[in-house]
Amino acid sequence: SQQGEEDPQALSIQEGENATMNCSYKTSINNLQWYRQNSGRGLVHLILIRSNEREKHSGRLRVTLDTSKKSSSLLITASRAADTASYFCATIGGPGTASKLTFGTGTRLQVTL
Amino acid sequence: EAGVAQSPRYKIIEKRQSVAFWCNPISGHATLYWYQQILGQGPKLLIQFQNNGVVDDSQLPKDRFSAERLKGVDSTLKIQPAKLEDSAVYLCASSLVLGVAEAFFGQGTRLTVV
Repeated sequence: SQQGEEDPQALSIQEGENATMNCSYKTSINNLQWYRQNSGRGLVHLILIRSNEREKHSGRLRVTLDTSKKSSSLLITASRAADTASYFCATIGGPGTASKLTFGTGTRLQVTL
Repeated sequence: EAGVAQSPRYKIIEKRQSVAFWCNPISGHATLYWYQQILGQGPKLLIQFQNNGVVDDSQLPKDRFSAERLKGVDSTLKIQPAKLEDSAVYLCASSLVLGVAEAFFGQGTRLTVV
């Protein structure tokens, strides 16, 4: 079963614009992670945010986490064609979940020139 | 450092045949995962190991799938007999510490069952 659901399922923007994708999950978490997947490099970890953190930055990436709403968002600023990929949120379960790393359904991002 | 190694990269088999996939995680990584990813979907966790013990295999179809991680290092995932719906990419990943660190993924094995 999928723990998270991403929204939107697909997103198309122009280079230079910002891209925002959201993730909702169902159970308590230890941390939430975002991954990118494209045909060239496979599945790659982008950023990890712990359950006691609310916001984290890494380069052009900004992640927020709202544990009361069981949701997270990933913002990519000043997008580039190379950002074209599928983006997945993944959660590490909290106590009693065997710390499973469970992925969501993904957002397909297309960045056009 | 060397990444997660998987083999083979591609495999085509007929239904009811058996197949095995191999994974060598990053050196020193205690946690190892196997995922199944069907085209257009997110990776689905099949089994998760901590060293050579199983942490979770609740979504592993145990009537046909099996996995082992002998000596807590490399791992094999087997399907016997294969069904058409097993066509997918099988991803192996490893993590340094269970529950708190990111996972590093191999390039995967693309399985086609005809």
